[in-house]
Amino acid sequence: DIQMTQSPSTLSASAGDRVTITCRASQSISTWLAWYQQKPGKAPNLLIYKASNLESGVPSRFSGSGSGTEFTLTISSLQPDDFATYYCQQYQTYSSDFGQGTKLEIK
Amino acid sequence: QVQLQELGPGLVKPSQTLSLTCSVSGDSMSSGSYLWNWIRQPAGKGLEWIGRVFTSGHSDYNPSLKSRVTISLDTSKNQFSLKMTSVTAADTAVYYCARSPPPDSSGYYGYFQRWGQGSLVTVST
Repeated sequence: DIQMTQSPSTLSASAGDRVTITCRASQSISTWLAWYQQKPGKAPNLLIYKASNLESGVPSRFSGSGSGTEFTLTISSLQPDDFATYYCQQYQTYSSDFGQGTKLEIK
Repeated sequence: QVQLQELGPGLVKPSQTLSLTCSVSGDSMSSGSYLWNWIRQPAGKGLEWIGRVFTSGHSDYNPSLKSRVTISLDTSKNQFSLKMTSVTAADTAVYYCARSPPPDSSGYYGYFQRWGQGSLVTVST
């Protein structure tokens, strides 16, 4: 298994803020990383794939970067709809692994 | 637009077999080289990939669950299925089916582009 560690686990922010979530892999995964947003009672929604590619239909305020073992998801200006839990996922190996999640809360 | 829907019993007794089906609509499962996955999420916890099946019928499984899990597809019915044996309370979770795009130019695959809405399965007497 590749261990995926997200930080922080909880993040308090206000609408309009710029926020960054970090995901670290226990070994290099090149750029084989995806980010998802999940709201309560709903399935996750793909935001970013291959570390920095924005999924179709996802607002441009979301961006991803990184390679190797360290990755970031940035939301440039938080909107009320962005308060949710975010997960990273590696797919460098045949067995996928998710981070533990980062809950983005309203300050 | 492809849609996925999980179907199956919401309650399974301990030691029995959990069986779920994912019904795919809006696209034919045999029309492309997509990958078909099962993922689960215990209440209040994170996501765990269970396994995937390719349109060829080949399957991959999470090593931690491999001994208990079988994923298969039935393209004639446009659906794929999950069977998990010897379940315990630890298997209580929302189970999602999801579709991954075909392998890219580098041969990599495995992120989840389309998801079902999820199905809660409770393991209890």
